[in-house]
Amino acid sequence: RKEVEQDPGPFNVPEGATVAFNCTYSNSASQSFFWYRQDCRKEPKLLMSVYSSGNEDGRFTAQLNRASQYISLLIRDSKLSDSATYLCVVKGRGGSYIPTFGRGTSLIVHP
Amino acid sequence: ETGVTQTPRHLVMGMTNKKSLKCEQHLGHNAMYWYKQSAKKPLELMFVYNFKEQTENNSVPSRFSPECPNSSHLFLHLHTLQPEDSALYLCASSQLLAGDLNEQYFGPGTRLTVT
Repeated sequence: RKEVEQDPGPFNVPEGATVAFNCTYSNSASQSFFWYRQDCRKEPKLLMSVYSSGNEDGRFTAQLNRASQYISLLIRDSKLSDSATYLCVVKGRGGSYIPTFGRGTSLIVHP
Repeated sequence: ETGVTQTPRHLVMGMTNKKSLKCEQHLGHNAMYWYKQSAKKPLELMFVYNFKEQTENNSVPSRFSPECPNSSHLFLHLHTLQPEDSALYLCASSQLLAGDLNEQYFGPGTRLTVT
């Protein structure tokens, strides 16, 4: 099992749709979780950290499920500008700080 | 955004050349990282520095040599590279390595082509 797994997609959705991505991780000792966004040929940019109780930032909601070892990202009211690759990042292997990136999930929002 | 800068943005080099990539962060962070991103692959961590000290070398070939003179600057020295080393090289920094302030901020990357 890969350390961090994401469905590569692409997820092709119309403007205004709600879309959700999941990311599973294999190390139950993982401590920190993040979602990054990467536009084509650009650097990854931090979208949001994922907290145990779940957190929301505008149209974006992140959830952590430790029992099933996955995190999720929900995007409501999709915009054309949301089109990007969404990277899941998990930190902590037995207390280690080494971050592990997923391959990313591609989202295409069309008119 | 100018939090983390990288130069050059694009680099083409022959296999016998020697070149260096530069990264500078203006965020007052203490940890810096080098990543390699190849097409269709996840980001690969190469090196980690914490307070100028190297704390991680992720089995990177010796043709890649990092240098961290201070907490704000990070270099990646390249020599006798192979065509398969062509990739986007990303620098990142974080306030701390672990704990609540470990979010990483990335530079724009150097797109390297080895001919």
